[in-house]
Amino acid sequence: AQSVTQLDSQVPVFEEAPVELRCNYSSSVSVYLFWYVQYPNQGLQLLLKYLSGSTLVKGINGFEAEFNKSQTSFHLRKPSVHISDTAEYFCAVTKGNTGFQKLVFGTGTRLLVSP
Amino acid sequence: NAGVMQNPRHLVRRRGQEARLRCSPMKGHSHVYWYRQLPEEGLKFMVYLQKENIIDESGMPKERFSAEFPKEGPSILRIQQVVRGDSAAYFCASSDGTPDLQPQHFGDGTRLSIL
Repeated sequence: AQSVTQLDSQVPVFEEAPVELRCNYSSSVSVYLFWYVQYPNQGLQLLLKYLSGSTLVKGINGFEAEFNKSQTSFHLRKPSVHISDTAEYFCAVTKGNTGFQKLVFGTGTRLLVSP
Repeated sequence: NAGVMQNPRHLVRRRGQEARLRCSPMKGHSHVYWYRQLPEEGLKFMVYLQKENIIDESGMPKERFSAEFPKEGPSILRIQQVVRGDSAAYFCASSDGTPDLQPQHFGDGTRLSIL
């Protein structure tokens, strides 16, 4: 079975500063990895995904993530955050190479961007 | 989140009543996933359905919960005899089943409150 750990429940940061949100996963098989963002009272929006290939994945809104198989990590980064990036961020994993796409989510990291 | 429609957005029930949550997948999508988000937690998989078939219900509570996705109409998540612990946000996601295209499309959720 797969599992995801997001160690930071909350990350405060100032506007225009860089940010990294950490995600570690556990799996005995190959995986697909995802980052989603959730704004208040809304559903989840996909930021980026890693399926295979290049370990550096670029997503929407200037976010990127790096898949590190040896560290079993998939940390999310943004070089300069905006106030509008304030939201909850979820890392998720699913088994790779299957048509069954059940996602296993971490508990989320709340990003708080202040002026 | 255009595409996946969930209704109602908010639902209030008294203990012992029934709750029915509806999900219309994106056009062309025949795979539906239901997830539950308890306060301050990540999303937990409940059930995966294709048209007229339950593929995986490993995340569904054994009693009181059921789901269906009929040939015509939306997918329904039904909770009988609701209890306080059922209070949560319930999210639906849809996909076209292609292995590389994970359920990127989430609805805005139904927030269920039990009095």
